[in-house]
Amino acid sequence: EIVLTQSPATLSLSPGERATLSCRASQSVSSYLAWYQQKPGQAPRLLIYDTSNRATGIPVRFSGGGSGTDFTLTISSLEPEDFAVYYCQQRSNWPLTFGGGTKVEIK
Amino acid sequence: QVKLVQSGAELKKPGSSVKVSCKASGGIFSNHGITWVRQAPGQGLEWVGEIFPIFDTTQYAQRFQGRVTITADKSTSTAYMELSSLISEDTAMYYCARDLCGGSSCQWFDPWGQGTLVTVSS
Repeated sequence: EIVLTQSPATLSLSPGERATLSCRASQSVSSYLAWYQQKPGQAPRLLIYDTSNRATGIPVRFSGGGSGTDFTLTISSLEPEDFAVYYCQQRSNWPLTFGGGTKVEIK
Repeated sequence: QVKLVQSGAELKKPGSSVKVSCKASGGIFSNHGITWVRQAPGQGLEWVGEIFPIFDTTQYAQRFQGRVTITADKSTSTAYMELSSLISEDTAMYYCARDLCGGSSCQWFDPWGQGTLVTVSS
């Protein structure tokens, strides 16, 4: 099973700041990585798939990068609605796995 | 616009079974896989399994093999997840989600249902 390790666990930032979230895989997942956003009491929402493709309706301030085992999600300038928990997910190998999440909180 | 609507919260006793439904509206149901993901209280996301209605095939996470059955009724555009031999650790929010890609599976998930809380308690 591929283990995805996300860091940091919590990121404390102010609106307007840049957020950089990390996801590291225990073995290569090629480019088969996605990012989801989850707000309290809501279901997750797909943000990025195949490392860098934005899902429909996702603002351009969200971008993804990386390959192999190291990936990043960048939010260029945090909006109030961006404070949430973010999960990465791989589809390179069965079973599909998710990272433990990074909480982006207001500083 | 595709929307997934799940059945309501369930309270179950240890050792029993639960069956959660996920009804799709809008779009072509059979063309897209439906996956199930659970989230224990305050915890992360865990993939349970998925079904591809167009092929009538399923994949399950090994840790749930033998306890989970995912089915789909194409006539009502509804997917089901049944989990048996429930234990307290199965207490979680269960989400269904649709595969982003139609015709073939890409295993990225959007949209998601609203979630069904399953509580296992004596």
